[in-house]
Parts: sequence; C-alpha cells; structure tokens
Amino acid sequence: DTAVSQTPKYLVTQMGNDKSIKCEQNLGHDTMYWYKQDSKKFLKIMFSYNNKELIINETVPNRFSPKSPDKAHLNLHINSLELGDSAVYFCASSETGYEQYFGPGTRLTVT
Amino acid sequence: QQPVQSPQAVILREGEDAVINCSSSKALYSVHWYRQKHGEAPVFLMILLKGGEQKGHEKISASFNEKKQQSSLYLTASQLSYSGTYFCGTETGKLIFGQGTELSVKP
Repeated sequence: DTAVSQTPKYLVTQMGNDKSIKCEQNLGHDTMYWYKQDSKKFLKIMFSYNNKELIINETVPNRFSPKSPDKAHLNLHINSLELGDSAVYFCASSETGYEQYFGPGTRLTVT
Repeated sequence: QQPVQSPQAVILREGEDAVINCSSSKALYSVHWYRQKHGEAPVFLMILLKGGEQKGHEKISASFNEKKQQSSLYLTASQLSYSGTYFCGTETGKLIFGQGTELSVKP
C-alpha cells in the first residue's frame, strides 16, 4: 500500500550516461515534487508539478528534465550524468500547500 | 532564503527535552517540520499556519511567531525513536528547507 513509490532505489552509473527515475503516488494528490539531497543532507527542491503542469523549476541544469504523464506519475530524466549529480533524489506529493509525503528515495552514484 | 536552524546537533538522554529553532529572513506563510531517520525519507511532523492554526504530531509541539519570522519545535520526554535529523521548511510558494538539526537520543 505504498503511498509514494520510486524506482529504482539505487542507481550506479558512469559519467556521460543518461538515466531515469520513476515516481508514482496513489494518494490522489494534485502536486508532485522532485528534491535533491546532497551528502551534507541539504534538501533542495528541483521541480514541482500541479496536475501535470510544471509550476516550479528551480535553477537546475537543462540536463534534468521532469515529465508528468498524468497526475499520479512524475518521472525525472537526467542526461549526460556528471559526478556532481551523485545524491539522493526524493519524489514527494501533496495537496497544494499541505504536508508533503516523500517517496523512499533513489540513491544515484555517478562514477 | 534558506531558513536557519539551531542548534546544528543535539544529544539527549531518554526523557530529556529539546527545542529546535528555525528562523527566516523572509515573511512566512507557514512553517513545516519534518523528521528524517538515517537512510529513510523525510516524514511530516507538523505544519504551522499564519493565524495560529496547527496540525501535526501528537507528542511533538511547535510554535510560530510570524512577527519574528521564527518557529520552534518542542520535543518533550524524548524517546529513542525521536533520533533523526529535523528539518524546518518555510513556505512561500515552495518549500525551502533549513540545513537540518541532528538529534540523538541515548538510553
């Protein structure tokens, strides 16, 4: 009965590769988010979608492209991976303005 | 823009109390509090809205001083399960998290 799920949980890849992370929520929320948490635990918002529409796009390199095929899914595609992209990526969802429910995270390691 | 939390880390014995502070340089509409255990996702604890409305956890309380742009999280009679990193998040159209406060509760 997972509320917010992400796949994969771990991702190890080489520099220059392209990878995707998938997120799904079954809470019926209208807003979904991607966060990046670095090695110092700093949790930073990257993107937010409301009913499939992009509403927050932080200063994130163009290599990162979110896609929301429907209200329950938000995927993150990363092109030309760099060492600095290594982090834990969290997907989250909420009713707009209320508490956010986070997925389990995807630990990305770029070698 | 990022809210500032203090202290950065605190160690407690079971049963002791702790206060974690969060301050912002910007006017706040709401403050969220989350706890993240090691290797896990952040989990919602509390939301404090402008005007005094609160919603959250049974055993943890918080205050929100809109004028001072500050919030404090009060952990009373701490339990081992309280250990983790606590984040405040300030909402101004998007949630901006503080740097976190690492709380360790020892037996």
